[in-house]
Amino acid sequence: QQQVKQSPQSLIVQKGGISIINCAYENTAFDYFPWYQQFPGKGPALLIAIRPDVSEKKEGRFTISFNKSAKQFSLHIMDSQPGDSATYFCAAGEAGTALIFGKGTTLSVSS
Amino acid sequence: KAGVTQTPRYLIKTRGQQVTLSCSPISGHRSVSWYQQTPGQGLQFLFEYFSETQRNKGNFPGRFSGRQFSNSRSEMNVSTLELGDSALYLCASSHRSLGQGGKLFFGSGTQLSVL
Repeated sequence: QQQVKQSPQSLIVQKGGISIINCAYENTAFDYFPWYQQFPGKGPALLIAIRPDVSEKKEGRFTISFNKSAKQFSLHIMDSQPGDSATYFCAAGEAGTALIFGKGTTLSVSS
Repeated sequence: KAGVTQTPRYLIKTRGQQVTLSCSPISGHRSVSWYQQTPGQGLQFLFEYFSETQRNKGNFPGRFSGRQFSNSRSEMNVSTLELGDSALYLCASSHRSLGQGGKLFFGSGTQLSVL
């Protein structure tokens, strides 16, 4: 019930392509869905987040798509660049509790 | 504004020893959370302190403990170390408590190796 399942575990995308990472959750009480980006040797950094009252949020090349009925959300990285190569974590949370993180997706963008 | 500072950056210990990790949050942040990151399990929540009080606790054994000081700096202690405790320990600070939807700012972590 508390898990957040993230896929794929790893992803290789060509420069300029679209990277798509998916997450699924079970707990319908979750009301906050952030994505974090982590570079080697660094801690995760908040990339973009969405609340369940909207189905999509876009910030630059990064878009979250949210499907409340399917209990799924995804991160799309448009025009992927080598500098986007990192590990991405989805997470979900509700008021009063800590975030539950997915196990991460390692993205490699080849030039 | 300085970010979240974690010390030390690397630690090597042997089984049975204990270890103390330190975290200095962003100035003005009163919430400090600790996470364990391993390749197989991702990020797992240990506990959160807000204004020196433990507010939330994850599903870890009592060997893992923490505290927060009046200046919001936090320490995490692991006693009787086991090989499975080898991990990257991340500290995150927030202006508000997790219960209030505080945005997390992570430090670079302490890499603990237990031999």
